[in-house]
This record gives sequence, C-alpha cells and structure tokens, in this order.
Amino acid sequence: GQNIDQPTEMTATEGAIVQINCTYQTSGFNGLFWYQQHAGEAPTFLSYNVLDGLEEKGRFSSFLSRSKGYSYLLLKELQMKDSASYLCAAMDSNYQLIWGAGTKLIIKP
Amino acid sequence: NAGVTQTPKFRILKIGQSMTLQCTQDMNHNYMYWYRQDPGMGLKLIYYSVGAGITDKGEVPNGYNVSRSTTEDFPLRLELAAPSQTSVYFCASSPGTSGSTDTQYFGPGTRLTVL
Repeated sequence: GQNIDQPTEMTATEGAIVQINCTYQTSGFNGLFWYQQHAGEAPTFLSYNVLDGLEEKGRFSSFLSRSKGYSYLLLKELQMKDSASYLCAAMDSNYQLIWGAGTKLIIKP
Repeated sequence: NAGVTQTPKFRILKIGQSMTLQCTQDMNHNYMYWYRQDPGMGLKLIYYSVGAGITDKGEVPNGYNVSRSTTEDFPLRLELAAPSQTSVYFCASSPGTSGSTDTQYFGPGTRLTVL
C-alpha cells in the first residue's frame, strides 16, 4: 500500500534549527511536496523536490533521497510564527498526492 | 485575485440532509480538487477535475458527487449526509501547465458537522 510517515509532534526553541523527517512508500513517484498549515487555515506550499539533493529557500530547506524513500524539511532561525503543522505529500504514478498526517511544530520562546 | 474561495465556512447538517459546498477559483487554473481532512489524518482526495466537463474519482468518492461546467467552479455535492462525513473540506486548484506536478493552491476550507 501507499504510506507516508512523519512524526506527530515536535518542539523547538525560538532561534534554533529543527529537522522534520518524512518517509514515503508509493506506487511510482513524481515528487515530494511540503506544505505548511497554521491551525484552522488552509495548507500553503513550501517546497517541491523530484531529484535527489537539497533545495534551499531562505530559512527553509528540503532534502530528498529517492533511493531511501526519505525527505526532510529543515527550518532555521525559528520564529514564533513557524508554529504550525507541516504536511509531507508524495505524488504517485497517477499524479495523485498521498498525504502524511502532518507534524505539529511547537516553538517555545 | 481572490485565489480559491469556498462557501460556506461552517455548516451543521442533520443525518440524511443534502448540501452543496461551493468552490470558485479566479486564477484560470485547469485542475481542481476536493479533499477532506479528518483530525490526525492526512488529506484524502475525494474528486478531481483536469478541465471543464471532466471529473474523476479520488481515494474516497463514496457519498459525494461533483460537476465542472466552467473553469472557475467546482461544487461538491453531499447526498444523504452521514456522521462519517463530518470533516473539514478543502478545495484546491493548480495551473495544469506543467502537468499534475504543479503546486496546488488551497481554499480556506468548509467545516462540516453532521449530527
């Protein structure tokens, strides 16, 4: 079956760095997406990886290893506004997104 | 641009009632999607459309129907509401210019409770 695993909850300190891991198992693979979702709001796009390696975008970076079925989202210089859920989603061979349950990130001052 | 808009924001239904969730996008996107999000679960695809007049089932289509008569609108119909349909419903759209790997843009969601 198709499956996405990511931690349920993580806690980090303002100004620090946090890495949110995601492992995926899909029928075929057409890329890995990360979305941010603040409580009670819609998901918003953060990153897309389809090739192995690290993509950096400001304070956020995303890494993909296709051979390991693994991705991570790295958040640097954490701010209180980064408190949110982070959703990992893998696109299968039918171009449908398989979503993880999300990782709730709590930032403490 | 308003992006993706959804109405209503909240709704309480009684078992067996029907309703339509409205979704409109003003970005001229070809692809549109309906998802549901249950607490502690990932988003589940209900239906999607790759253009006006074309719709297809997603992972959890039972109990729902859709239509796509225009590029802008993609309503989701619930017939005979059941408590299992209590959820948050998100509509999303993507350009479709790069195929299906385009970024999806989400509406604010409709919070539906069936009692």
